[in-house]
Amino acid sequence: NAGVTQTPKFQVLKTGQSMTLQCAQDMNHNSMYWYRQDPGMGLRLIYYSASEGTTDKGEVPNGYNVSRLNKREFSLRLESAAPSQTSVYFCASSEETGFLFGTEEGETQYFGPGTRLLVL
Amino acid sequence: QQPVQSPQAVILREGEDAVINCSSSKALYSVHWYRQKHGEAPVFLMILLKGGEQKGHDKISASFNEKKQQSSLYLTASQLSYSGTYFCGTEIGGSRLTFGEGTQLTVNP
Repeated sequence: NAGVTQTPKFQVLKTGQSMTLQCAQDMNHNSMYWYRQDPGMGLRLIYYSASEGTTDKGEVPNGYNVSRLNKREFSLRLESAAPSQTSVYFCASSEETGFLFGTEEGETQYFGPGTRLLVL
Repeated sequence: QQPVQSPQAVILREGEDAVINCSSSKALYSVHWYRQKHGEAPVFLMILLKGGEQKGHDKISASFNEKKQQSSLYLTASQLSYSGTYFCGTEIGGSRLTFGEGTQLTVNP
């Protein structure tokens, strides 16, 4: 049981290049999330997927796209990388999302190890 | 909508206690607490749901005051392993988690 896995662990891009960050979970969770974390700051939600087949914008979606490929996998794409996108990216998953379900187990988010991205 | 955490940083000696506060300008459905060690992913500590006032395990506990729209995390008899950055995440009914900027806790021998 690997939990949440992310690839790659590190990446250096030049401005304007594109790349896709991969995330997979093996806990049969319905909901998945992408966050970015900048130095000294908290986690900011980029996009999330409440269930397979749905995606929604978070706080900071500009410059990103996502795909919920299936229940296990949720990818984040940078179409044209900018230096402002230098950050650590975390993927997370939870059984459910939102207060409609309201159980501890359901709402606990499990995080992947992160991808460190540097855009030059 | 980002919750405000205080203090921003705290330094303790092993065995001392600490309190970390998290407050919101809006009514909260739930408050989540996570700890992140340097270079690692955040790890879940506990959730306090609407209607639940206090909970804890071992020497780490938390309270949730719905009226005041705030939560506090209590760390008692701190251990070296408690060092890290503590984040609260708040959920405002129907919306996603919004995390605070974190409180950096350092426990020295």
